Amino acid sequence: SAVISQKPSRDICQRGTSLTIQCQVDSQVTMMFWYRQQPGQSLTLIATANQGSEATYESGFVIDKFPISRPNLTFSTLTVSNMSPEDSSIYLCSDRQQAYNEQFFGPGTRLTVL
Amino acid sequence: AQSVTQLGSHVSVSEGALVLLRCNYSSSVPPYLFWYVQYPNQGLQLLLKYTTGATLVKGINGFEAEFKKSETSFHLTKPSAHMSDAAEYFCAVSGGSNYKLTFGKGTLLTVNP
Repeated sequence: SAVISQKPSRDICQRGTSLTIQCQVDSQVTMMFWYRQQPGQSLTLIATANQGSEATYESGFVIDKFPISRPNLTFSTLTVSNMSPEDSSIYLCSDRQQAYNEQFFGPGTRLTVL
Repeated sequence: AQSVTQLGSHVSVSEGALVLLRCNYSSSVPPYLFWYVQYPNQGLQLLLKYTTGATLVKGINGFEAEFKKSETSFHLTKPSAHMSDAAEYFCAVSGGSNYKLTFGKGTLLTVNP
């Protein structure tokens, strides 16, 4: 399985600011995804990060709030913009190993917004 | 469209007892089914998966799950619980060419000594 790392592992931010989360995979992958896990909740897919094109967002998530970049097949970023306390969550990236029909997850970024 | 229902948000067992975590799914196409485990302050780890073929699948740490199409279920079991099994468990489904995972709400497993 690919090894996925995320930076930062955690952060405490002020309301109204933005945070960019980085996701690095140790091998080229076709598909990368970003999920949100709100406190005590399950995971919700934010968007699919497409290499070389705009991300595909799920219902309830918009590009202005969660801009995503994917400049190559091993790296993606998620920005949480104009943060409010409701954005306090764990943000996880994942990749899909097509050959094995599996998704593996990074360790997550724990975000607290004050 | 796809969805997952995990029955029981919290399951408590004694060490050495059978673990049974329930998962029912809904999918308009043949599903791929997954169980993930999340230990405190960690990311998700894949326990096991069903895609096609044998309906009884074995995973890591002694866990297994059986895909029952007629019951739309994919329950997770382990014959004998260990203290280290205490964690949150998530069932997830994806369908066909749509690789997006839909997760259940999770079941917190507590193992008592």
